[in-house]
Amino acid sequence: EVQLVESGGGLVQPGGSLRLSCAASGFTFSSYWMSWVRQAPGKGLEWVANIKQDGSEKYYVDSVKGRFTISRDNAKNSLYLQMNSLRAEDTAVYYCARGVSYFHYWGQGTLVTVSS
Amino acid sequence: QSVLTQPPSVSAAPGQKVTISCSGSSSNIGNNYVSWYQQLPGTAPKLLIYDNNKRPSGIPDRFSGSKSGTSATLGITGLQTGDEADYYCGTWDSSLSAAVFGGGTQLTVL
Repeated sequence: EVQLVESGGGLVQPGGSLRLSCAASGFTFSSYWMSWVRQAPGKGLEWVANIKQDGSEKYYVDSVKGRFTISRDNAKNSLYLQMNSLRAEDTAVYYCARGVSYFHYWGQGTLVTVSS
Repeated sequence: QSVLTQPPSVSAAPGQKVTISCSGSSSNIGNNYVSWYQQLPGTAPKLLIYDNNKRPSGIPDRFSGSKSGTSATLGITGLQTGDEADYYCGTWDSSLSAAVFGGGTQLTVL
């Protein structure tokens, strides 16, 4: 059974940093592109970033470029999102998802709240 | 403002059929595959359709997808109260080098 389990969310002040993690199991992690997708409270889905199987290619939505970094550790079957210079508008549930242009499996999400 | 345009809401009676549209451009829907997701309240999204019209294992054939030009459509037949959810279309945008979603459509089964 494919499982994606996010962790690392919480309350952070504007300008602060947070690192999200996603533990993958039930499939060959190193064979798939992986993505982060977020959803602000009461809003729609917004793709944030994705990363190729070997980490050689990464893409970001414009609003997080230069502030967020996606990475992965295939030995640990884990995906990460380092978030710096956080803003109030980054408040959202962050989902880890398998795929690059469509997302077959999703985690349960982790809530990030940016507020003073 | 979402790159892909969906109607905010649709409604239909139990047992009836409903369609949800998703409009884009040549840089996204026009030249890439479309996917559709169902999000029940308080849960993570679930993939319903990928590659325009393919259903993952376990998704009933009441759900169907189609694409024509720069638009795509999700169809749901035999509506059930359990189908009440938000539905999102998605695709890759080659100009933005980004995955994009529609703003979502709330389905009400009257």
